[in-house]
Amino acid sequence: KNQVEQSPQSLIILEGKNCTLQCNYTVSPFSNLRWYKQDTGRGPVSLTIMTFSENTKSNGRYTATLDADTKQSSLHITASQLSDSASYICVVSSGGGYNKLIFGAGTRLAVHP
Amino acid sequence: SQTIHQWPATLVQPVGSPLSLECTVEGTSNPNLYWYRQAAGRGLQLLFYSIGIDQISSEVPQNLSASRPQDRQFILSSKKLLLSDSGFYLCAWSVGTGRYEQYFGPGTRLTVT
Repeated sequence: KNQVEQSPQSLIILEGKNCTLQCNYTVSPFSNLRWYKQDTGRGPVSLTIMTFSENTKSNGRYTATLDADTKQSSLHITASQLSDSASYICVVSSGGGYNKLIFGAGTRLAVHP
Repeated sequence: SQTIHQWPATLVQPVGSPLSLECTVEGTSNPNLYWYRQAAGRGLQLLFYSIGIDQISSEVPQNLSASRPQDRQFILSSKKLLLSDSGFYLCAWSVGTGRYEQYFGPGTRLTVT
């Protein structure tokens, strides 16, 4: 069964600190892996997208890694800001004719001053 | 630039009443369109996707239906709402497949009472 699991479920950090969010997946076939940021009550917004051959990709203070052998990905946030408070969703695409995405349940991050 | 609209933003409906949620996309032609539902603490679940007018596929059996009367308009409907239909409904669009991005709308919060 195609699944995407994320940990931790929730996380609280102080402003300025770094954090790392984890994603494990069992999706086959694998096309690409994405990280989305979702503010409360809003639609998800893409942060990064990586294919099988990409190990790391950065978007500002966000850096995603991918280990296709162990089927693990991480999202590292550097020098957190209050605006980073949101849910971060790991999404794996199994390809196919309509770009089917399998979503994780997300990690809810709260950045406190 | 492309934009995606959803309305209404929030909706409270009694059990057994009908439903109609609307999604429109601007600034692109012949997009792939998607309806997702997000339950609290769960990952997004794909409900319907459409690759063209009147070309709609359903991912899961349910109480809902979708229609695409125009190229950039996608409608989610129900004849009789159930309590379990409560959730956050997101419309998304993409052009192409594979690693192409999916762009999400602002969502509709539906509460069935």
